[in-house]
Amino acid sequence: GENVEQHPSTLSVQEGDSAVIKCTYSDSASNYFPWYKQELGKRPQLIIDIRSNVGEKKDQRIAVTLNKTAKHFSLHITETQPEDSAVYFCAGAFGNEKLTFGTGTRLTIIP
Amino acid sequence: DVKVTQSSRYLVKRTGEKVFLECVQDMDHENMFWYRQDPGLGLRLIYFSYDVKMKEKGDIPEGYSVSREKKERFSLILESASTNQTSMYLCASSYPSGSQFFGPGTRLTVL
Repeated sequence: GENVEQHPSTLSVQEGDSAVIKCTYSDSASNYFPWYKQELGKRPQLIIDIRSNVGEKKDQRIAVTLNKTAKHFSLHITETQPEDSAVYFCAGAFGNEKLTFGTGTRLTIIP
Repeated sequence: DVKVTQSSRYLVKRTGEKVFLECVQDMDHENMFWYRQDPGLGLRLIYFSYDVKMKEKGDIPEGYSVSREKKERFSLILESASTNQTSMYLCASSYPSGSQFFGPGTRLTVL
């Protein structure tokens, strides 16, 4: 079945530095890769997504890159701020409506 | 704005009880999903529905059933609650091939 691996499980970065979270997937039929941010006690919220026909997408300080050959995609957050502290989940859609999620990365921004 | 609501934020039940969790969305989405979220395991799909009265098993359907009698409402049923079903339950909805939007979650404790 589909599998999405996410690394690292925890990440601490100094405020202003960049953070990178990586995910790999096993099924080459995947075509859609969203990223969700979940703040403490709140619902997961979609922050950016990418479809398999593009290699990179950017939205202000957030960018996602996709390497279909290597079957991995990454979330990049630049100029990190305290409000970026949260748990981030990657996911993949594998030819149907279902998403398979990674296990999450707890990002802590150190002031 | 997409609005997905869940019937309870917190629920405490006893082993063997029948439990109903309800989810309502107001965006006329065809797809609705039920996940459970456990520390270190990410979000795992229990069941999803792509139309009224239609359902499909997710990755961990054992011990659960679902009902979708109306497009806006998707219910998760625990026929006989067990302690290993203590978890956070998240509902989501989407258009076909669209982004999923989550409800606030129900934290269920089974004693």
